[in-house]
Amino acid sequence: GAVVSQHPSRVICKSGTSVKIECRSLDFQATTMFWYRQFPKQSLMLMATSNEGSKATYEQGVEKDKFLINHASLTLSTLTVTSAHPEDSSFYICSARRGQGYGYTFGSGTRLTVV
Amino acid sequence: AQKVTQAQTEISVVEKEDVTLDCVYETRDTTYYLFWYKQPPSGELVFLIRRNSFDEQNEISGRYSWNFQKSTSSFNFTITASQVVDSAVYFCALSEYGNQGGKLIFGQGTELSVKP
Repeated sequence: GAVVSQHPSRVICKSGTSVKIECRSLDFQATTMFWYRQFPKQSLMLMATSNEGSKATYEQGVEKDKFLINHASLTLSTLTVTSAHPEDSSFYICSARRGQGYGYTFGSGTRLTVV
Repeated sequence: AQKVTQAQTEISVVEKEDVTLDCVYETRDTTYYLFWYKQPPSGELVFLIRRNSFDEQNEISGRYSWNFQKSTSSFNFTITASQVVDSAVYFCALSEYGNQGGKLIFGQGTELSVKP
């Protein structure tokens, strides 16, 4: 079955630093990847959609200069949280899909804590 | 725009009780997909079911069953004879086939607590 690997699973960083989260599709080519953020006791909120080789499409209210998304290959997408602040502490989870009509495969998530 | 509503924030039942989790959706697309996911405390999402808009047949998988009613835009999930291991947050989600790359939008989630 389709597998998506997300790393790191947990990260603690200091306020003002940047953190990169990787999302890899291990056994399929992901034409589209999605990034979500989930605060405690809340739902998964879509941050952005990225297609391989194109600029990501950000949801309303998500700062594209703060959350940099790169989808340089069909198996790898990265989310970089730049100049992280405590309010960016959250659970970030990626999802990958082969294409229209296919299901969504989720990574195991990254718990980011900014101190 | 697509929207998913799970009106029940928290449900608490005693083991062996049946429980139904409600899901109501909104979409302008005629072709769409509905999903249910389970999220245990570990945070990982567990896929439960995908249903496309042209298939209104109800589905049963072991103790789980789903009722899809296009007339009421609902896709409800029932757990029969609930068990403690069913305790988790359950999300209903919707993707539109022809819209914006098929992004998957989640409902607010229902936290199910099954007590022994």
